[in-house]
Amino acid sequence: DTGVSQNPRHKITKRGQNVTFRCDPISEHNRLYWYRQTLGQGPEFLTYFQNEAQLEKSRLLSDRFSAERPKGSFSTLEIQRTEQGDSAMYLCASSLLGGTGNIQYFGAGTRLSVL
Amino acid sequence: DQQVKQNSPSLSVQEGRISILNCDYTNSMFDYFLWYKKYPAEGPTFLISISSIKDKNEDGRFTVFLNKSAKHLSLHIVPSQPGDSAVYFCAASLNFGNEKLTFGTGTRLTIIP
Repeated sequence: DTGVSQNPRHKITKRGQNVTFRCDPISEHNRLYWYRQTLGQGPEFLTYFQNEAQLEKSRLLSDRFSAERPKGSFSTLEIQRTEQGDSAMYLCASSLLGGTGNIQYFGAGTRLSVL
Repeated sequence: DQQVKQNSPSLSVQEGRISILNCDYTNSMFDYFLWYKKYPAEGPTFLISISSIKDKNEDGRFTVFLNKSAKHLSLHIVPSQPGDSAVYFCAASLNFGNEKLTFGTGTRLTIIP
């Protein structure tokens, strides 16, 4: 399977705990995106990387959120001191920069439930 | 500010008929548009896209139409099949897809056998 892989698929945590999610993009893709989706809404952009550089962060990404892509391959998204409002599906996508008509391919997501 | 809008939360269509899903956008700078299909507990799956330099793109049973003056696009599925039942998201991007995606809220399509 050469698609985008996300782990874990589900995470249940207590309020105040820290959580970390991992995303492995399609191997030749140099762009990696994080989105968050809540019930009844479309995915909302959080941040994206080109190789290891984080190029843009949404204002949705509070200082409790941090994302890394240390070697330009996999990425991690960490949420510190989780709150119930953080409960959502966290989606990762990857694409190959260049040309026209670049398509982002999504993973299956990590569903976070904060109790 | 919802820059991409899908005003129909749900749509039911008889199997074999045409399904038409609509999407409106407000940002005239968007130049690349995509449709994704999403099944429960899965990530969005890319379906079809269109650049602002075109007004139509076709791929098998799926056709996307773009009306730039009206800032409107639509997805036509013909003939509709039971496996098409899913939530469909319209998304828009700048720089021909080389930027983040802005999604609509989705339309749940149900194909009635």
